[in-house]
Amino acid sequence: QVQLQESGPGLVKPSETLSLTCAVSDYSISSGDFWGWVRQPPGKGLEWIGSLYYSGSTFYNPSLKSRVTISVDTSKNQFSLKLSSVTAADTAVYYCARHHWGLQYFQHWGQGTLVTVSS
Amino acid sequence: QTVVTQEPSFSVSPGGTVTLTCGLSSGSVSTSYYPSWYQQTPGQAPRTLIYSTNTRSSGVPDRFSGSILGNKAALTITGAQADDESDYYCVLFMGSGTHVFGTGTKVTVL
Repeated sequence: QVQLQESGPGLVKPSETLSLTCAVSDYSISSGDFWGWVRQPPGKGLEWIGSLYYSGSTFYNPSLKSRVTISVDTSKNQFSLKLSSVTAADTAVYYCARHHWGLQYFQHWGQGTLVTVSS
Repeated sequence: QTVVTQEPSFSVSPGGTVTLTCGLSSGSVSTSYYPSWYQQTPGQAPRTLIYSTNTRSSGVPDRFSGSILGNKAALTITGAQADDESDYYCVLFMGSGTHVFGTGTKVTVL
């Protein structure tokens, strides 16, 4: 069973860059499949942020594309999310997930981490 | 941007059946959208229920089933149990590598 664990600062100042990492265990990222990020503002629904293939190919939510970068570090078996110019609207629980690209679904999920944007 | 719509809420009696739907603001949902369904209880990560329209994820009870009903994707819970009380989200693959979550349905069992 693939395990995913998010980590990163729980508090980010407005206009700064949010940075999170997802450590993957019991499975090698380089084995294939996509890896993605999903977020959920407090009391609201889920939103797909973007997904990345281990080789570096990426797909992003058009509404966030100008501010998002997802990257991979195969040597550490982890992938990362950077979201620039954050505002209070970016306050959310951020989940990382293994994304089965062939069947287009999120197969395994991390437990999520709350990031608050506030000065 | 495309909006994926779900009923805001449903109430079902224990042992009853409820069908949730997942539609597009414009157009029809087909298997080409690879609809998938997720269950989420407060404070927990989503749990994958159904993928590729009607395939149950490992360990998911067979009282959960997926289908296409008319122009929407559907999730049916047959013989609802108290611990099915959750939020349910669908996801559609929109092509061009993008995915959209539905607005979510809150299911109450009482």
